[in-house]
Amino acid sequence: AQSVTQLGSHVSVSEGALVLLRCNYSSSVPPYLFWYVQYPNQGLQLLLKYTTGATLVKGINGFEAEFKKSETSFHLTKPSAHMSDAAEYFCAVSLGDMRFGAGTRLTVKP
Amino acid sequence: EAGVVQSPRYKIIEKKQPVAFWCNPISGHNTLYWYRQNLGQGPELLIRYENEEAVDDSQLPKDRFSAERLKGVDSTLKIQPAELGDSAVYLCASSLGGLGRGGMNTEAFFGQGTRLTVV
Repeated sequence: AQSVTQLGSHVSVSEGALVLLRCNYSSSVPPYLFWYVQYPNQGLQLLLKYTTGATLVKGINGFEAEFKKSETSFHLTKPSAHMSDAAEYFCAVSLGDMRFGAGTRLTVKP
Repeated sequence: EAGVVQSPRYKIIEKKQPVAFWCNPISGHNTLYWYRQNLGQGPELLIRYENEEAVDDSQLPKDRFSAERLKGVDSTLKIQPAELGDSAVYLCASSLGGLGRGGMNTEAFFGQGTRLTVV
């Protein structure tokens, strides 16, 4: 069965700094990979996804992620953090259904 | 276009009481998921439907939880009787098809969830 590990339950950055949220997956075959964002008392919103093709995928709000098969990773980055990026971020892997990581809470300091 | 609609948004019940959650997926979405999200954790899959068939319910605690998706559209998740440990947010999601190899290239859309508090 597929699984996801998110490294770091809490990440804090200054406004304007690089955002890096780490995700490693385990899967017997190449899976689909997703990053979702969750704001307080809201459902999950898709940031970006990798299915096939280009390994660097761009999403909404300036986020991007790179699929690295050799490292079984799908880290999420954003060059410059904004206060509005503060939220919970979830990495997910799918081979038919979707399994989520434990989440990383991003705090952005002014 | 309306997204995934869940009701109620919040529910407070006493332990040992029954409770039910309702989900209306996006029109045309064949696949429906119920997830449970405990505080500070990621969503955990409870059950997945392909149309009206439950294709993965291995994580559903069948002694007290039940779900149905009549006519392959709306779905109801029920807990009877509820326990203190059932306090969580219950999320419903839908997609055009299964997400991954053999499924359709698509994404899952989530409702806002139902926050259950058992006291």
